[in-house]
Amino acid sequence: GESVGLHLPTLSVQEGDNSIINCAYSNSASDYFIWYKQESGKGPQFIIDIRSNMDKRQGQRVTVLLNKTVKHLSLQIAATQPGDSAVYFCAERVGNYQLIWGAGTKLIIKP
Amino acid sequence: DGGITQSPKYLFRKEGQNVTLSCEQNLNHDAMYWYRQDPGQGLRLIYYSQIVNDFQKGDIAEGYSVSREKKESFPLTVTSAQKNPTAFYLCASSSEITGNTIYFGEGSWLTVV
Repeated sequence: GESVGLHLPTLSVQEGDNSIINCAYSNSASDYFIWYKQESGKGPQFIIDIRSNMDKRQGQRVTVLLNKTVKHLSLQIAATQPGDSAVYFCAERVGNYQLIWGAGTKLIIKP
Repeated sequence: DGGITQSPKYLFRKEGQNVTLSCEQNLNHDAMYWYRQDPGQGLRLIYYSQIVNDFQKGDIAEGYSVSREKKESFPLTVTSAQKNPTAFYLCASSSEITGNTIYFGEGSWLTVV
């Protein structure tokens, strides 16, 4: 079936280093991909999105890359800070109102 | 402040009881959603509503019911038919104006005792 999956359930990164979180998707018809950050006990927060007609999009300290050839999505966080510790989800939009969610990657920041 | 408000934050339910989780948004969004999240897992869609007085089942609607009588409100009832209701419940909303990006409330924890 359709799915969005993450390669690594947990990622440990040294504070100040760059983090790269990866995501694979399987629905070639998806036109929109989103990254969310979820801190413990809270609702997911929107980080950044990218449309399927783009390869790269940059935000504040974050960059999303989309490789449609291999159906791969990545989130890069520059100069990782303790406040970046969270679970990161990628999501793939199918239709106007439904998202397919990955299981999430837990980012751990080492001091 | 604009946003999505869920209540209560924590709720305990005895087996066999129905409970209702509240979700209110003042963002003027047309669409609203309910998701369930189990510990260490991703989000699964329970129900969604694109417009007032209309809603559709998501992937795991069995044992749940919703209503959308007002644009700003989308309550979720967890019925006794839901055999494993202990979870974190997230309400969300979106609008074509926001590019259909989904924004979430802070969630409600439901525990069956």
